[in-house]
Amino acid sequence: QSVLTQPPSVSAAPGQKVTISCSGSTSNIGNNFVSWYQQLPGTAPKLLIYENYKRPSGIPDRFSGSKSGTSATLGITGLQTGDEADYYCGTWDSSLSAAVFGGGTQLTVL
Amino acid sequence: QVQLVQSGAEVKKPGASVKVSCKASGYTFTSYGISWVRQAPGQGLEWMGWINPDNDYTNYAQNLQGRVTMTTDTSTTTAYMEVRSLRSDDTAVYYCARDFGSTSCDYWGQGTLVTVSS
Repeated sequence: QSVLTQPPSVSAAPGQKVTISCSGSTSNIGNNFVSWYQQLPGTAPKLLIYENYKRPSGIPDRFSGSKSGTSATLGITGLQTGDEADYYCGTWDSSLSAAVFGGGTQLTVL
Repeated sequence: QVQLVQSGAEVKKPGASVKVSCKASGYTFTSYGISWVRQAPGQGLEWMGWINPDNDYTNYAQNLQGRVTMTTDTSTTTAYMEVRSLRSDDTAVYYCARDFGSTSCDYWGQGTLVTVSS
């Protein structure tokens, strides 16, 4: 079982908006930065969001991140079929002294 | 441009060891950490550990302590990750990634499939 909890799957129609939640505790999300990754089938993960809400160069502003207490959320607007992928949240866990990931959320763009 | 290029796929028997390399280029190797992450077939991401190439400080995941060793060679800007006493549940794609802090990895290797089978 993952330390961070994500919904196994979410879906939405092209052009719509979707949010993916990531729930943790005070030892991880509550006191550390959260990152989000996109993993297309058969490829390495790609950093979408770091330090809760910042986007690396080249990541469109359709992707957004937020954090409140011990939960974080990834938002994707203007959904495209190319957004179909697995999405992972990650952070540091101070109790485990380890980086931890959520179990991943599979996004389907119907 | 920043690139991390990993060594090729490996097939190992249970009890053997495997060493995966990760050749970095396009940036100052000692200015960023290297994290190793693995992904078992059909499963999620698992953090294995981190190494600072500037001073070789390492931090390993508890469940791999004693079986994993991460090293770097600054002369060739290459990071290495070795797993010993391989078991079938070590079968996974192993990734190296450039870690710029706060567990954020902005560049990833292409992955190395390690298959453990008798």
